[in-house]
Amino acid sequence: KQEVTQIPAALSVPEGENLVLNCSFTDSAIYNLQWFRQDPGKGLTSLLLIQSSQREQTSGRLNASLDKSSGRSTLYIAASQPGDSATYLCAVRRNTGGFKTIFGAGTRLFVKA
Amino acid sequence: DTEVTQTPKHLVMGMTNKKSLKCEQHMGHRAMYWYKQKAKKPPELMFVYSYEKLSINESVPSRFSPECPNSSLLNLHLHALQPEDSALYLCASSQGNRIPGLPDTQYFGPGTRLTVL
Repeated sequence: KQEVTQIPAALSVPEGENLVLNCSFTDSAIYNLQWFRQDPGKGLTSLLLIQSSQREQTSGRLNASLDKSSGRSTLYIAASQPGDSATYLCAVRRNTGGFKTIFGAGTRLFVKA
Repeated sequence: DTEVTQTPKHLVMGMTNKKSLKCEQHMGHRAMYWYKQKAKKPPELMFVYSYEKLSINESVPSRFSPECPNSSLLNLHLHALQPEDSALYLCASSQGNRIPGLPDTQYFGPGTRLTVL
């Protein structure tokens, strides 16, 4: 059974700092891994998607990496801003059996001005 | 356009009511999803439709009844709900690629905040 864990559960950093969010999963037979952000009471916004055959994806100040063999992904945020404050979720889709997606519990990020 | 719309934004219902949630996308996506999210918890998958056919039901109680009338619409019919069903209900869609190596990004709607009294 696939389990997805995110560390840390919460993080508070000063503006301008670079930071890394971690996601680990127990079953390496994945189709893809997707990072989302969620603002309180809102829906999810897709940030980056990494296919199982890829090692990393970049979008602006965000870089996501994937090491499937060790069951880990990281989301790197450069030069953090107060507007980055949100909950960051990683989601893993398994390789077989349709489109089942398992989410981690998320990292709540607060960037102080 | 990567928009998934959901109506209503908020819904309050009694335990004997029947109501429906609606989700719509016009991206040509062929996979659509319902998730339930309780406060401070991650989304939990409820149902997946692939090419208008129900492909995943995560053992959801029968008081939740999904329907996919066409490739753009997804409904969730609610009947005889319990107070513990109060949550944010999220709809998502993706292209529905099943070929290994092709991306299949999920796009989420803003959700319906459901309160069951």
